[in-house]
This record gives sequence, structure tokens and C-alpha cells, in this order.
Amino acid sequence: EIVLTQSPATLSLSPGERATLSCRASQSISNFLAWYQQKPGQAPRLLISDASNRATGIPARFSGSGSGTDFTLTISSLEPEDFAIYYCQQRRNWPITFGPGTKVDIK
Amino acid sequence: QVLLQESGPGLVKPSETLSLMCTISGGSINSHYWTWVRQPPGRGLEWIGCINSGLTNYNPSLESRVTISVDTSKNQFSLKLSSATAADTAMYYCTRGFSGSTYAHWGQGVLVTVSS
Repeated sequence: EIVLTQSPATLSLSPGERATLSCRASQSISNFLAWYQQKPGQAPRLLISDASNRATGIPARFSGSGSGTDFTLTISSLEPEDFAIYYCQQRRNWPITFGPGTKVDIK
Repeated sequence: QVLLQESGPGLVKPSETLSLMCTISGGSINSHYWTWVRQPPGRGLEWIGCINSGLTNYNPSLESRVTISVDTSKNQFSLKLSSATAADTAMYYCTRGFSGSTYAHWGQGVLVTVSS
């Protein structure tokens, strides 16, 4: 099973600041990584597929990068609605696995 | 616009089988990876398994207890999890995978509590 590790566990920032979230895989997953945003009481929302492709309707302030084992989700300037939990997910191998999440909260 | 809706009992007794249905509207069930994901209260996401063109893949941690199946006539797919315990208490989501297993479409989720 491929284990995904996310860091930091919590990121405390102010609106307008840049957020950099990390996801590391226990073995190479090429670019088969997605990022999701989840707000309380809501289902996850796809942000990024295949490491760097923004999903439909996702603002340009969200960007993804990386390949192999190290990946990054960047939010260039935090908006109030961006404070949420972010999960990475790999689809390189069965079983599909998710990282434990990074919570972005308001400083 | 594809919409997914979970349905099923919100309360299941220990040792019984947890059974959920996902109804799809706005799209056909005859392709894609139809998937179940769960989330215990206050915790992260756990992939349960999926079905695609009649073939299933399950999380090894649950494989002995899980069955996912499709009813094409009703455009639905289902989850059965046998021998439920309190550890199975979670929000259960159905979702559709594209490019294999990237999940752009999710149901709203259904909370299932396992308790006597």
C-alpha cells in the first residue's frame, strides 16, 4: 500500500498570504496525484488532478506541482473561503489511498 | 451534470450488515469507476472500493467484509459491509472516478452509526 504523508498537519495563515502544502508518497507515483478541499459538513471537492491540472471551475490561485514522491499544492493568496482541510490522493496503485490532511486555519 | 445520492439506514446494530445505495442521475452507470469512500467523525478519508464494468477492487483492510455491486436497470450501485462494528461508524460517500480513480463527482454523504 502506498502511504501518503502530508505536512504540516495545520497551517495557520491570514487572508492574502500564500499557502504551501506538501504531500509525500512512500514510493514513486509518477504524477498520479489529486488534491481535494473539504469544508465542514461537505463532501470533498476536487481541486487538482494528475498533480498539476486544475479541475473545472477551480480558481487560478490554486496550483499543483511535483512528480515521483514529492508534491505541492500552492494557494497563491488565501481567500476567506479557502480555510478548510486539504487531502492528497494517489491513484498509482490499488488500494487508492488518501493522505491524512492539512488543515488551513485562520491565524 | 452528474448527481449522486446515497441512501440507507442511519443506524445499524453491531454484527449486522451495513447496506447503502447510490443513485446516479444525469449520467450512465455503464462506465467509470463507481466508488465508496468513508470518513469516521473527525478523521480523514478512507477508500473502501470500487466497481468498473463488473470488476471490483477493494481495500484489503475491508475486503473480507465488503461487496460492491451495480444495478444497471436502476442506475444504482450499492455497498454491503458485513459484521459491522463501532469502528464502521462514519460518513459514507459514493463518488465517480474519471481517469481511473480521480473523483470529481461526490454524493452529499450519509452518516451511518453502528450501535445497539
